[in-house]
Amino acid sequence: GAGVSQSPSNKVTEKGKDVELRCDPISGHTALYWYRQSLGQGLEFLIYFQGNSAPDKSGLPSDRFSAERTGGSVSTLTIQRTQQEDSAVYLCASRGKRGRTDTQYFGPGTRLTVL
Amino acid sequence: AQSVTQPDIHITVSEGASLELRCNYSYGATPYLFWYVQSPGQGLQLLLKYFSGDTLVQGIKGFEAEFKRSQSSFNLRKPSVHWSDAAEYFCAVGVYNAGNMLTFGGGTRLMVKP
Repeated sequence: GAGVSQSPSNKVTEKGKDVELRCDPISGHTALYWYRQSLGQGLEFLIYFQGNSAPDKSGLPSDRFSAERTGGSVSTLTIQRTQQEDSAVYLCASRGKRGRTDTQYFGPGTRLTVL
Repeated sequence: AQSVTQPDIHITVSEGASLELRCNYSYGATPYLFWYVQSPGQGLQLLLKYFSGDTLVQGIKGFEAEFKRSQSSFNLRKPSVHWSDAAEYFCAVGVYNAGNMLTFGGGTRLMVKP
């Protein structure tokens, strides 16, 4: 596709349920990032994938959060046993293969509301 | 650890007036610096970026930013604001030795008066 896409655009769930958020990066982009945007914490890095290397999970806030990237393309962010503080917009970004100085392109985000 | 500060949470300017949004960063080496804009309900769009070289960087939509190492600043400017510029603006620093994951400032919400 022309840009990074994310689904769903909105997700409402009940506390304690698991949710999966999907990111389709720009075709051919080797790097993929997840960020979270919340009222209290602003925009914060969650996890980074680069090719087939082990992901950098240093930004994940708890072990309830996990992510995988299949086939070097699509990524899924999973939040288990959701809590109200998980309510936020989850943004995905991808970056091309020319190097670290390449631009990160962001998707429109998934707005997660935990009731 | 790196950090980014945007001192102004809200700014209101009149259409046609000039604009400057402030950004200060803290980072131990030469930073990669970015300005992104976010319109309501939209993702982040890159306005401009600085990696090296000329410290005055031109971006899209008539924006520019100047990197000042001595002041640890990367302020965003536009000579004449349009109503469509109303949005939230984020300054960010990229971590050189990692995957260039971005550390963002808190954002500045720009409102434009007619």
